Amino acid sequence: QVHLVQSGAEVKKPGASVKVSCKASGYTFTTYGITWVRQAPGQGLEWMGWHSADNDIRNYAQNLQGRVTMTTDSSTTTAYMELRSLTSDDTAVYYCARANAAAGTNDYWGQGTLVTVSS
Amino acid sequence: DIQMTQSPSSLSASVGDRVTITCRASQSISTYLNWYQQKPGKAPKFLVHAASSLQSGVPSRFSGSGSGTEFTLTISSLQPEDFATYFCQQSYNIPQTFGPGTKVEIK
Repeated sequence: QVHLVQSGAEVKKPGASVKVSCKASGYTFTTYGITWVRQAPGQGLEWMGWHSADNDIRNYAQNLQGRVTMTTDSSTTTAYMELRSLTSDDTAVYYCARANAAAGTNDYWGQGTLVTVSS
Repeated sequence: DIQMTQSPSSLSASVGDRVTITCRASQSISTYLNWYQQKPGKAPKFLVHAASSLQSGVPSRFSGSGSGTEFTLTISSLQPEDFATYFCQQSYNIPQTFGPGTKVEIK
């Protein structure tokens, strides 16, 4: 059974950084990538980027370039998403999803992590 | 970036109704189109990939069709558990982009 379990909710001040983790289980971690998607309150879904799990291929959304870093740790089957220089516009639920790059699918999702940016 | 639009933005329907949601891409994406269902406070659930292939475990009342720039998601007989918001997503190129969603509400 595939599971992605994310870290808990965070409250950050403007200008701070946040690092969200996504622990994967139930499949061979290195055969799929991880996609990150966020959803601001009451809004739609925004693709943030993708990271391969078996090598260092990464693609980030252009509007987040320079502020976001996605990494994976195969030894612990955990993916991480760090977002820096937070503003109130970054307040959202952040999701990780298992990505099959060849098929273009994101089939299993984590439960989401609420990040609130407030002074 | 490829822009995705959906229509309608919301609809009201009754249990047993046939419901069709349309998704359009700003350029041809072949069949690189996925559909997701999201309920309030929950993560999206993957329903359909490659425009028309149902994910394992998805009820057969759901079906997808289309290619190029126009796609549809149809629910043949709406069930109580189907009231949710539905998003399309293109995976033709990076960045992957989502439609704004269609909220299916109870009439």
